[in-house]
Amino acid sequence: EPEVTQTPSHQVTQMGQEVILRCVPISNHLYFYWYRQILGQKVEFLVSFYNNEISEKSEIFDDQFSVERPDGSNFTLKIRSTKLEDSAMYFCASSERPPDRGNEQFFGPGTRLTVL
Amino acid sequence: KNQVEQSPQSLIILEGKNCTLQCNYTVSPFSNLRWYKQDTGRGPVSLTIMTFSENTKSNGRYTATLDADTKQSSLHITASQLSDSASYICVVSKLTGGGNKLTFGTGTQLKVEL
Repeated sequence: EPEVTQTPSHQVTQMGQEVILRCVPISNHLYFYWYRQILGQKVEFLVSFYNNEISEKSEIFDDQFSVERPDGSNFTLKIRSTKLEDSAMYFCASSERPPDRGNEQFFGPGTRLTVL
Repeated sequence: KNQVEQSPQSLIILEGKNCTLQCNYTVSPFSNLRWYKQDTGRGPVSLTIMTFSENTKSNGRYTATLDADTKQSSLHITASQLSDSASYICVVSKLTGGGNKLTFGTGTQLKVEL
């Protein structure tokens, strides 16, 4: 069964460093998403991506964040200068159609980011 | 403000027993409501998706209900198993003409014990 994959599973970085989190969405999906979940808190939407551009983003997704689909399979989230409060689990998800069409989103296993 | 509230926050039940989890939302205009299961340290996995016109939907031992008038949903788990121990998250999608933003609840942490 096709699944969303994410690498690395755990990333440790120093405050102020840049990190790139990588995701491979399900191959026939067209909509891609990043979410984060701070330990013990709810999942929060960061950004959605369709047709090689951001279609929606939350207030969390500020200028420190960027997303890219560098090739036909990968979808990345870059944090330019990490802060302590960026420590969280980051989930990538993909879907065939947008969620307000009732289409299922498939989530990856997540990357745990720890900023020291 | 678009919010999703869940209760109880946590629940412990014995294996084989049934339980019901609650969700109230203020997201508007409403498009659909989903229930996800999230194991510790893993990504959420979809259990059910219900649109405005659906009152109930089942997926094996999981049955979700939706009352779009009162903006309430419930997830009923029948004959619980140890593997049901997880966080159950209610998620609501707003109708935005192709919008992509899901609003997540804080989840109900379920523990099934022997």
